[in-house]
Formats: sequence, C-alpha cells, structure tokens
Amino acid sequence: EPEVTQTPSHQVTQMGQEVILRCVPISNHLYFYWYRQILGQKVEFLVSFYNNEISEKSEIFDDQFSVERPDGSNFTLKIRSTKLEDSAMYFCASSPYRDNQPQHFGDGTRLSIL
Amino acid sequence: AQTVTQSQPEMSVQEAETVTLSCTYDTSESDYYLFWYKQPPSRQMILVIRQEAYKQQNATENRFSVNFQKAAKSFSLKISDSQLGDAAMYFCAYRSALNYGGSQGNLIFGKGTKLSVKP
Repeated sequence: EPEVTQTPSHQVTQMGQEVILRCVPISNHLYFYWYRQILGQKVEFLVSFYNNEISEKSEIFDDQFSVERPDGSNFTLKIRSTKLEDSAMYFCASSPYRDNQPQHFGDGTRLSIL
Repeated sequence: AQTVTQSQPEMSVQEAETVTLSCTYDTSESDYYLFWYKQPPSRQMILVIRQEAYKQQNATENRFSVNFQKAAKSFSLKISDSQLGDAAMYFCAYRSALNYGGSQGNLIFGKGTKLSVKP
C-alpha cells in the first residue's frame, strides 16, 4: 500500500538555524498537510496546500514557516529561524481529495532545537 | 471553533477483553466527519475508523466499532477482543465537511489516549 514518507526521521538543529523537513506524499493525492505535535500535547494543524498554493494555515504558521512543492513529488516545510519552542514531531499528511477521504500520515520527523 | 476532548489520558485492557475509549467534541456545524487514528510506537498515525455525521449507523471495522451520539456530541471507540498489537496512542479527530464554513479539511485532534494491553 502506498505510504507518505518523511525525511529525516530525526533532525537536530541549533537555535536560529534554518531547517527543511521533507515529505513525499502518495502519488495521486492532491491535498497536502503539515501538523506538529509538541511532546505530551495534541497534534496541531499547521497548513494545508492544494494546487501549488496554501489553502489554509493556522495561527502557529507564522512568517517563520513556509511550504513548497518544488518538483511535483516532494512537499517541504521550511522553518526559517528556529526557536526552542519549535521542537516537536512534525507530521506530513496527504489525501486524494477533501471530501470524506481520510488523510494518510507519514512517520513524522522529530525536530530537536538546541 | 471546534474542539475535541479525550478525557482518558491512559487506559488499560486485558488481552481478549473489550475496552471503550471516550471522545467528545464541540461544534456548531451539522455536517462533519469524525475519525479515530492509532499511533503505535513506530510513530506513523494509522486510520482506524471514520464516521460521517449524516449517517446514523455506527461505523464498524472488524474488531473496532464506534458509538456515535450526535446529539450528545460523543464519539467513542470500542475495541473488542483486544490484542497486544492494539497497544498504541489513540487520537480522536474532527473534520468539517467539504466547503462547509470555508474549511479546507484540516483535522482537529484530541490529546489522545494511551492504551496498554496486558497479556
């Protein structure tokens, strides 16, 4: 069964550095999402992406964050200048369309900011 | 804004027994979807079961079933004949229906319930 793949599985970065998290959604899916889960807290929506543009973003997704689908297969989340509070598990998800189809999640990338 | 509440941070069940995980939600919308996701220690979140709010019949997937009470805004998950492989974090999630209120389909999660299965 096709899967959403995320790389790296664990990223350690110095505070203030830029980080790019990568995701390869399922190939025939059209909608892409990023979520994050701070340790011990609930999974929170960051951003959704469709037709090469952001369709919705949460309050968390400020100017430090950006997303891109550079080559038709990868879907990346960039954090421009990382802060300690960005330490979390970041999940990518994709779905074929919005209706009743569920989102398929990747394994996540654990981001640790030092 | 919609919210999802899972009041049981941890639950434990004996192998082969039945366990029910609770979930309540708050919304003013009439059409939406509800999901249960499982997150085992390997980390990937896997869809367990989903329910469309317009359907009165409770969803069932093999040993997993839900008790959907729309008026009470309750969506509990029942796991029958629990197996060791059921041990995981379980998340209840809400999603607005297509184009309802301008939503783009993002999921709203509860805090999760950690389920342990005792051999």
